[in-house]
Amino acid sequence: DGGITQSPKYLFRKEGQNVTLSCEQNLNHDAMYWYRQDPGQGLRLIYYSQIVNDFQKGDIAEGYSVSREKKESFPLTVTSAQKNPTAFYLCASSIQLADYNEQFFGPGTRLTVL
Amino acid sequence: GQNIDQPTEMTATEGAIVQINCTYQTSGFNGLFWYQQHAGEAPTFLSYNVLDGLEEKGRFSSFLSRSKGYSYLLLKELQMKDSASYLCAVRDSNYQLIWGAGTKLIIKP
Repeated sequence: DGGITQSPKYLFRKEGQNVTLSCEQNLNHDAMYWYRQDPGQGLRLIYYSQIVNDFQKGDIAEGYSVSREKKESFPLTVTSAQKNPTAFYLCASSIQLADYNEQFFGPGTRLTVL
Repeated sequence: GQNIDQPTEMTATEGAIVQINCTYQTSGFNGLFWYQQHAGEAPTFLSYNVLDGLEEKGRFSSFLSRSKGYSYLLLKELQMKDSASYLCAVRDSNYQLIWGAGTKLIIKP
């Protein structure tokens, strides 16, 4: 079955530690995205990538970093510079960035920083 | 700035019909999406509108008026499993999705 996987589902970290969230897709999609979801707010775009070895900042990139070394993988690192990292993180992919196809989402990772 | 407005919460009865509205102000328009999200889970795609009018898909329909910056999602024959949040998202001129905060729909027996 094709889809997007994120791991782990729940993650706890101490303040000041960096943490990396994984995202893998086997849909052969070119575009991948990272969103953050907080209660009472819409999804906010952190980073996106249109193609391997290329990525762009979204609306709230400060304190985050990404890499896109393989088409299938788009890991997100939450650094200690992110002031309020506790949130639900969603990874998504689509066939291409500039087309009319929907984005498919992974199951999400709930990060809690203690 | 860019803005998507949806009601925060709605309540409806099993078997009834409910309409969830979405108004938007964005820099450019390249389509409007509706997603369903159950608590703690991933959003799943419901519908897409890029031209004015009604798109019907089973029990769900979505309407768009680009001149009014308005869309609605219509859910018929409500079932308990329809209890979820419904997210409206607009693709702007940069092909980025701008998301509303979602409407939590509560279905009562």
